[in-house]
Amino acid sequence: NAGVMQNPRHLVRRRGQEARLRCSPMKGHSHVYWYRQLPEEGLKFMVYLQKENIIDESGMPKERFSAEFPKEGPSILRIQQVVRGDSAAYFCASSPTRVDFATNEKLFFGSGTQLSVL
Amino acid sequence: GENVEQHPSTLSVQEGDSAVIKCTYSDSASNYFPWYKQELGKRPQLIIDIRSNVGEKKDQRIAVTLNKTAKHFSLHITETQPEDSAVYFCARTNFGNEKLTFGTGTRLTIIP
Repeated sequence: NAGVMQNPRHLVRRRGQEARLRCSPMKGHSHVYWYRQLPEEGLKFMVYLQKENIIDESGMPKERFSAEFPKEGPSILRIQQVVRGDSAAYFCASSPTRVDFATNEKLFFGSGTQLSVL
Repeated sequence: GENVEQHPSTLSVQEGDSAVIKCTYSDSASNYFPWYKQELGKRPQLIIDIRSNVGEKKDQRIAVTLNKTAKHFSLHITETQPEDSAVYFCARTNFGNEKLTFGTGTRLTIIP
């Protein structure tokens, strides 16, 4: 039973290029959460998606960033026209339904994608 | 707000001694508090969590205590070992909210 899978593990882009980060949730999970970790900082929530729907994008930068979770295939975090400040580790997590911490649910992260912008 | 302050930012302890990391929060509605351990270049791994209906939870050498009145919670690691060296993050949220707010991390170094 594979956990959350992210690829690529490392992604190098030059300024102005596009970055596409993929997150395949655990089997049977239809809810995905993206977090960003800047160097020497804690994780920060970006966006929460259910299949074909963006539920909460309150942590997404207003420009250049977008996310989708199509009916088939992985969730994609897309960063257009990358800048050096986008260099960070991007982690995703998944859950079968909207995660409910009031029960015994927990959030487990994938291995992340380290984005480096040259 | 929902901020979490974490202290200290770095901590060095002799192998076998105990380590304590403390986090304070401001949102009194907070009631779920997980701790994650992150080794260099790896994913954050959940090591222990606590919900507000209990004041303490223990799992072998790791324990977490919660003081809701004072709005702080702490991670305690006893009998530290070299493999405990990592960055530790606290986090918080409230029931019904899917977003975790993380602290800034503590770099723990165990000195052999």
